Amino acid sequence: AQSVTQPDIHITVSEGASLELRCNYSYGATPYLFWYVQSPGQGLQLLLKYFSGDTLVQGIKGFEAEFKRSQSSFNLRKPSVHWSDAAEYFCAVAPHNTNAGKSTFGDGTTLTVKP
Amino acid sequence: KAGVTQTPRYLIKTRGQQVTLSCSPISGHRSVSWYQQTPGQGLQFLFEYFSETQRNKGNFPGRFSGRQFSNSRSEMNVSTLELGDSALYLCASSLSGDRGLSGANVLTFGAGSRLTVL
Repeated sequence: AQSVTQPDIHITVSEGASLELRCNYSYGATPYLFWYVQSPGQGLQLLLKYFSGDTLVQGIKGFEAEFKRSQSSFNLRKPSVHWSDAAEYFCAVAPHNTNAGKSTFGDGTTLTVKP
Repeated sequence: KAGVTQTPRYLIKTRGQQVTLSCSPISGHRSVSWYQQTPGQGLQFLFEYFSETQRNKGNFPGRFSGRQFSNSRSEMNVSTLELGDSALYLCASSLSGDRGLSGANVLTFGAGSRLTVL
C-alpha cells in the first residue's frame, strides 16, 4: 500500500528566509506526486504536481519541489517565505493506474512565519 | 469558472442522527471524491464516484455512503452519527480518469463541510 510521511509536524521560519518541507513516500513504482496547501477553514489548493519528466517542478506562489527517486522524496522548497505562506502543507501520492481521487495524504506540516 | 461548491459549510447534529452533505464539482469534471479530515487521523479517503458509479472506496464503515447524479453532483450521507464523526468533510473533483491525461489526476477541493456531532 502507498504511504506518505511528512516528518515535520510544525516548522517556524522568519519572513524572507528559505523553506524546505520534507516528504517521503512509499510506493512500488513512481507515483503521481502532489503538494497542496490549506489555509485555516479552507479546502486544499494544489501548489504543484509531478507526473514524469523533469524532476524539478515549479508551482504557484514561488514554490518548487524536487523528485528524488533514489530517496523516495518529494521535498517542497521556497527561497524566500512571505507571511502569507503561513498555512498547513500536505504532500500526496496517487498511483498511476487510478484517478487521483484515491490519493494518499501525509499528516501535514504546519508552517508558522515569524515577522 | 466556478470552483467546487460544498453545502452546508457548517452543521451541528446529535448522536444517532443522520446527515447529508452535497458537493457540486467544477463544470466538466466527472470524478468526485470525498475525504474526512480530523486532527487525529488527518485526511482520509472516503470514496470516489465517476459517472454515477463508486469507483474507489476507503476503509470506513457502512454508515458512510455516497452517490453521484447524472450532472456529476455528489452527496454523501452518514447515518447513526457518532461523536467521532465530527470532522471537516472535503469534496474534490477532477477530470475523467483516462490514463495519459495528466490533468485527470489533479484534485480541486471545495472549502469543506464542518460537521460537529454533540
